[in-house]
Amino acid sequence: GAVVSQHPSWVICKSGTSVKIECRSLDFQATTMFWYRQFPKQSLMLMATSNEGSKATYEQGVEKDKFLINHASLTLSTLTVTSAHPEDSSFYICSASIPGGYGYTFGSGTRLTVV
Amino acid sequence: DAKTTQPTSMDCAEGRAANLPCNHSTISGNEYVYWYRQIHSQGPQYIIHGLKNNETNEMASLIITEDRKSSTLILPHATLRDTAVYYCIVPARGSQGNLIFGKGTKLSVKP
Repeated sequence: GAVVSQHPSWVICKSGTSVKIECRSLDFQATTMFWYRQFPKQSLMLMATSNEGSKATYEQGVEKDKFLINHASLTLSTLTVTSAHPEDSSFYICSASIPGGYGYTFGSGTRLTVV
Repeated sequence: DAKTTQPTSMDCAEGRAANLPCNHSTISGNEYVYWYRQIHSQGPQYIIHGLKNNETNEMASLIITEDRKSSTLILPHATLRDTAVYYCIVPARGSQGNLIFGKGTKLSVKP
């Protein structure tokens, strides 16, 4: 149980375009979801925390106008990378807290390459 | 989050037990210890978590010291597929519970 499905698993886009990444909780309601970014050979860095029905909370240094997060339902959160540039190329991972205090579950990640 | 300290890397022979230590000396009384691992280019995978008692599941055992300042993750019979980066995390209460990842321990299981 407590599965989070993340799509796409990889995407290549041109500079200046926008890319949307989806994260769905399949068998539970995710009130809170988290978005991470991971550069090669580095650890996961928390970008933002999203709560269903409210604005996301962004970590320091993360541009909220560039990384748009929407958490309109209890089972879906999306991250849109707007006007993507090569430096946005990274591995993006979503996570959700499991109700009842049973920890956290993670999506399989999205490899974004901006060319 | 309570700060955690882990060795950068460890090697383990296939079939032997892998013991991964973690120091979390600033942990407070109601904070849990979580262990996750990340195999290359995949999302982190939950392993186990605990508060004060030792825990065991089908993947691993978690030994937490009595003063809760350190813990050890034990993979009883490591396989090559256990090669991954292992993260010990203590999420803080009241911070929306987000997990802050350190650098983790790169475990290499060798034949």
